[in-house]
Amino acid sequence: QSVMTQPPSVSAAPGQRVTISCSGTSSNLGDNYVSWYQQLPGTAPKLLIYENHKRPSGIPDRFSGSKSGTSATLDISGLQTGDEGDYHCGTWDSSLSAWVFGGGTKVTVL
Amino acid sequence: EVQLVESGGGLVQPGGSLRLSCAASGFIISDNYMSWVRQAPGKGLEWVSVFYTTGSPLYADSAKGRFTISRDTSRNTVDLQMNSLRADDTAVYYCARHSSRYNGSPVYHWGQGTLVTVSS
Repeated sequence: QSVMTQPPSVSAAPGQRVTISCSGTSSNLGDNYVSWYQQLPGTAPKLLIYENHKRPSGIPDRFSGSKSGTSATLDISGLQTGDEGDYHCGTWDSSLSAWVFGGGTKVTVL
Repeated sequence: EVQLVESGGGLVQPGGSLRLSCAASGFIISDNYMSWVRQAPGKGLEWVSVFYTTGSPLYADSAKGRFTISRDTSRNTVDLQMNSLRADDTAVYYCARHSSRYNGSPVYHWGQGTLVTVSS
């Protein structure tokens, strides 16, 4: 049972947009930055978004993040077949004193 | 170029022990928070332990009392000693370098992972 809740899967056609939600509590998302990670099949996770909305160097602006209260959102626009994989949200939980993650969302390009 | 290379995974019986090692290159581990994060088959990510730049460790509840994280600055490695292993410890274990020095700082670099299987 993950500390934060994500939908198990989302899907859309190439070129369209998907939105992935991440729901937490006041002790995690409500009080701390959110990060997002992309995990393509058979590979290690990769940092996609940090401090709610910032992109590391090399990450295209098709990926955008936001946070409001105890929820966060990752948007992927202009969906490509290479975007298929799992996406994880992560943050710090001040009550647990631990890094915590959502259960992950599988993105399928139809 | 930053690289993290894990080793030490394998098959171990319930109750057994295993020591994972992470060899870092391209940066100095003592300047960074270094974590171990695991992923059970078909599941999400789970943080296991961090070694702070201060030299202090922190553990997830699932690891407390069984796992020990350590670092060797002379070899630029971070290890995870795992004792009293259980079936639910079965996972790919990733070595992780955090981007900054605050609780919640994201993982900027990940190793390729090493598989630990606990089974009789």
